[in-house]
Amino acid sequence: DAGVTQSPTHLIKTRGQQVTLRCSPKSGHDTVSWYQQALGQGPQFIFQYYEEEERQRGNFPDRFSGHQFPNYSSELNVNALLLGDSALYLCASIGTSGTNEQFFGPGTRLTVL
Amino acid sequence: KQEVTQIPAALSVPEGENLVLNCSFTDSAIYNLQWFRQDPGKGLTSLLLIQSSQREQTSGRLNASLDKSSGRSTLYIAASQPGDSATYLCAVYLSNYQLIWGAGTKLIIKP
Repeated sequence: DAGVTQSPTHLIKTRGQQVTLRCSPKSGHDTVSWYQQALGQGPQFIFQYYEEEERQRGNFPDRFSGHQFPNYSSELNVNALLLGDSALYLCASIGTSGTNEQFFGPGTRLTVL
Repeated sequence: KQEVTQIPAALSVPEGENLVLNCSFTDSAIYNLQWFRQDPGKGLTSLLLIQSSQREQTSGRLNASLDKSSGRSTLYIAASQPGDSATYLCAVYLSNYQLIWGAGTKLIIKP
């Protein structure tokens, strides 16, 4: 059983560009959360998707948007990139075991120049 | 607003020592608490999940405790090894699945 997968592993963009990050949850998981982790900081919650809709959102501007597909995979889109968007972006999937434990992917390292 | 604090920010100990990492949170109304390990430039590895009804969890040389009333959790590492060197993060679960994270403790085990 594959765990949570994310693509790409690394990405370099310039200011003003747009980026799309992808996440596939663990088999059987239907909920996906996205987090941003700046260097030396703990992750910050961006949003969570369930049944193809955004269910919860953290304190991030509208430049950050997402999507969940019928197969439960998810995308994170960031428009008008800023230097401060440089971070590790983590995806987590949540199962139905009752503990709501979140399982994390390896992350996508985004560098904005 | 829930805030999570981890002290110290960094810790260096000789190999073989037992050590304790601390995590405190401001609101005791948490759902779960989870400890993670993160190697430099890498993603997160889950170590232990403690449900709100539990007091502790153990896995090998690791033991995590939870005291909701005092807003504290500790991660105990026995007989530390150089391979334990990493950043350790704790995260509390709000009831709506959202995780609130500490900034982590960077642990260095000296051979």
